[in-house]
Amino acid sequence: AQSVSQHNHHVILSEAASLELGCNYSYGGTVNLFWYVQYPGQHLQLLLKYFSGDPLVKGIKGFEAEFIKSKFSFNLRKPSVQWSDTAEYFCAVRDTGRRALTFGSGTRLQVQP
Amino acid sequence: DTEVTQTPKHLVMGMTNKKSLKCEQHMGHRAMYWYKQKAKKPPELMFVYSYEKLSINESVPSRFSPECPNSSLLNLHLHALQPEDSALYLCASSQEAPGLSPLHFGNGTRLTVT
Repeated sequence: AQSVSQHNHHVILSEAASLELGCNYSYGGTVNLFWYVQYPGQHLQLLLKYFSGDPLVKGIKGFEAEFIKSKFSFNLRKPSVQWSDTAEYFCAVRDTGRRALTFGSGTRLQVQP
Repeated sequence: DTEVTQTPKHLVMGMTNKKSLKCEQHMGHRAMYWYKQKAKKPPELMFVYSYEKLSINESVPSRFSPECPNSSLLNLHLHALQPEDSALYLCASSQEAPGLSPLHFGNGTRLTVT
């Protein structure tokens, strides 16, 4: 079975700092990769997705992620975070034979003004 | 705002009660999902429906009974739950072409079992 690892459980940054959240998965076949964000009290929202093509994908709100197949990684980045980015961030993987997502354990990002 | 609507938003039930959670989407999605999310944990898959047929059951106890009456609706019937079943229950939907559509999530139903 596939698994997803997010090694940063809680990240605290000051505004304007750069962000990188790690995500590694264990499935060796073809996968779709996602980052979801959950703001306090709100539903899970899609930040960005990778299906194929350019391994550097851009999402909403200035986020981007890079798929590195050889490292089984899909790290999330943002050059300059804002206080409003405070939220829980989940990496998720879906192998192309199975519809459902497998989520990582999540990273709680706290941005201090 | 999300296009997947879940009701009720909050539910408190006793261990002998029978209740149902409801989920509705009008995006024409033919795959629908139930996830369970405990506090400070990621969502865990419970069930997947594809074209109104149950395609994945992640070994969920029988006290949870899903139902998909039509392509827009998804229910989760609850009976004889335990306090450890208290969690946020999330519904999601996606287009049926695997690999081409992300999941759209509802706001969830926060369930407390007393």
